[in-house]
Amino acid sequence: QQPVQSPQAVILREGEDAVINCSSSKALYSVHWYRQKHGEAPVFLMILLKGGEQKGHDKISASFNEKKQQSSLYLTASQLSYSGTYFCGTEMGSGGSNYKLTFGKGTLLTVNP
Amino acid sequence: EPEVTQTPSHQVTQMGQEVILRCVPISNHLYFYWYRQILGQKVEFLVSFYNNEISEKSEIFDDQFSVERPDGSNFTLKIRSTKLEDSAMYFCASIAGGPMREQYFGPGTRLTVT
Repeated sequence: QQPVQSPQAVILREGEDAVINCSSSKALYSVHWYRQKHGEAPVFLMILLKGGEQKGHDKISASFNEKKQQSSLYLTASQLSYSGTYFCGTEMGSGGSNYKLTFGKGTLLTVNP
Repeated sequence: EPEVTQTPSHQVTQMGQEVILRCVPISNHLYFYWYRQILGQKVEFLVSFYNNEISEKSEIFDDQFSVERPDGSNFTLKIRSTKLEDSAMYFCASIAGGPMREQYFGPGTRLTVT
């Protein structure tokens, strides 16, 4: 069952912040975040494993709320290069050894000067 | 930095023809995947492959599709008789396995079926 992402699209001015959410009705083992620019492959941003840990690098961070089966991606002080479609990919259940990801429909982020 | 590579970058074929999409996963990775993305839509799982066999496949991955790891480096996706609706970007991805769960995608092959 695919995760639900919100919002579907967001438009920012350079320097503004954004939050993208990814939620699942099923128990998750991990959440993976990717950014995809038009015509390119998804680029891995970060992975969060169950346990509620928060991760981040530079001005992009993410959290995973195991109780709510929800992950949020935080983009602070956005830059023009942040523009793209953000996908979350979820790994269900106990994790196992298949590592299969189910992707949400994506959130289109546009950062304007 | 090691990366997943895919060839060709763009393939145009006629309906009913067979196509083979090629991928070279990252060298020490053990788990391999094919995904499909129809223009403007989400990334969809097709198949996972480990230890020289399919570990899981989606309902999209019907009898027209097959995967193979013919040697120690290449990982291929074959579509036997292409249909118009097979037109999409096809991404290969790989994972090291164990505690290393990060999945790295190749640049994709754009398949256009006419």
